[in-house]
Amino acid sequence: GEDVEQSLFLSVREGDSSVINCTYTDSSSTYLYWYKQEPGAGLQLLTYIFSNMDMKQDQRLTVLLNKKDKHLSLRIADTQTGDSAIYFCAESIRGTGGFKTIFGAGTRLFVKA
Amino acid sequence: NAGVTQTPKFRVLKTGQSMTLLCAQDMNHEYMYWYRQDPGMGLRLIHYSVGEGTTAKGEVPDGYNVSRLKKQNFLLGLESAAPSQTSVYFCASRLSGRAAGANVLTFGAGSRLTVL
Repeated sequence: GEDVEQSLFLSVREGDSSVINCTYTDSSSTYLYWYKQEPGAGLQLLTYIFSNMDMKQDQRLTVLLNKKDKHLSLRIADTQTGDSAIYFCAESIRGTGGFKTIFGAGTRLFVKA
Repeated sequence: NAGVTQTPKFRVLKTGQSMTLLCAQDMNHEYMYWYRQDPGMGLRLIHYSVGEGTTAKGEVPDGYNVSRLKKQNFLLGLESAAPSQTSVYFCASRLSGRAAGANVLTFGAGSRLTVL
């Protein structure tokens, strides 16, 4: 089946690290993504990881992938108030009509000053 | 470049009315998608298209129709709007191919639809 799950809310203090977790069900996923949505805007890609990788680091962002447990996480170091947004986990899978991207419900990150 | 443009940005409809949302992209992308976003449910795929003249159903296609007569445009139609279709609608597009760069979606800013 196709399902991506993530918790709905996370609150952290400015300067702390944020960790957003996601689980997915489709083992055929070749790419997994993190998208960010700021208020009133569409989604923008933050980072992605190929399924044969365990970790990817990109400045303040660290993505960890546990393919056995189908678990993906996004760590934001030194979280800033500008990081307040909704973060979506997503997987790209092949559907009957071609590749499609399935999203989780999104985790709303609140950063307290 | 404009990227992905959605029109209209806001619309209020009465139950039973029909309307069309237009998505236009200027990036020569093959794939185009329509999602709806509802609180606590994230983005759900309505319909998608892998090329001009093709369409496919997503997770929640009922009550919607789509057309891709030109590569750059993807239209989402509501034939008889219902209050359950009140939502924010997002269009997205991407290149074809298996490379990760090709699978990255570019989103429009969204269209907020209210059905009374």
